[in-house]
Amino acid sequence: GAGVSQSPSNKVTEKGKDVELRCDPISGHTALYWYRQRLGQGLEFLIYFQGNSAPDKSGLPSDRFSAERTGESVSTLTIQRTQQEDSAVYLCASSRNDVAPEEPQHFGDGTRLSIL
Amino acid sequence: DAKTTQPPSMDCAEGRAANLPCNHSTISGNEYVYWYRQIHSQGPQYIIHGLKNNETNEMASLIITEDRKSSTLILPHATLRDTAVYYCIVRVPISGSRLTFGEGTQLTVNP
Repeated sequence: GAGVSQSPSNKVTEKGKDVELRCDPISGHTALYWYRQRLGQGLEFLIYFQGNSAPDKSGLPSDRFSAERTGESVSTLTIQRTQQEDSAVYLCASSRNDVAPEEPQHFGDGTRLSIL
Repeated sequence: DAKTTQPPSMDCAEGRAANLPCNHSTISGNEYVYWYRQIHSQGPQYIIHGLKNNETNEMASLIITEDRKSSTLILPHATLRDTAVYYCIVRVPISGSRLTFGEGTQLTVNP
């Protein structure tokens, strides 16, 4: 597809379970970002990948959150021992900042995570 | 990144031009202005960005004042599908720099 693809689109799970969220960036985009958006609030930065490395993890809220990227493509955000406060829409964005750093980020439609 | 100020809401008649203002009086010389919009239950959609010069693409036009302290996003012929929250963001063009979304402007296009 032409855009950023995220799966699943919706995830409902019980408190304490682990979840994995997937992001397929636009082909050829070297930069990948994860954000979180709680209901009625703005976007909160989580982590940035350049290639397969994560030079900025400063937004990850706790050690229950981790992310990886492989093949300079797909990224997975993992949340362990989920808590109700983790309920949010998790958004992924990619950009081709190897072309120029001002290149815009393009977003997927997110994964809506609900913790019961 | 410099802060931005936008009106919380605006209305526009279908078929008319929608002009959305943004104030960024503390913008630095190398910061770009980006516009995104978010339609309910969707991810933010990139619209346009610019540094100094006015920009136009298939979606919109961006007018940046000469002193760069404010800008206007113009949707030339608004449709009902343009109803969304519009965000004006100022960002330093450094690889990896995050986007910081403010409150935005809720644009409602009326039939």
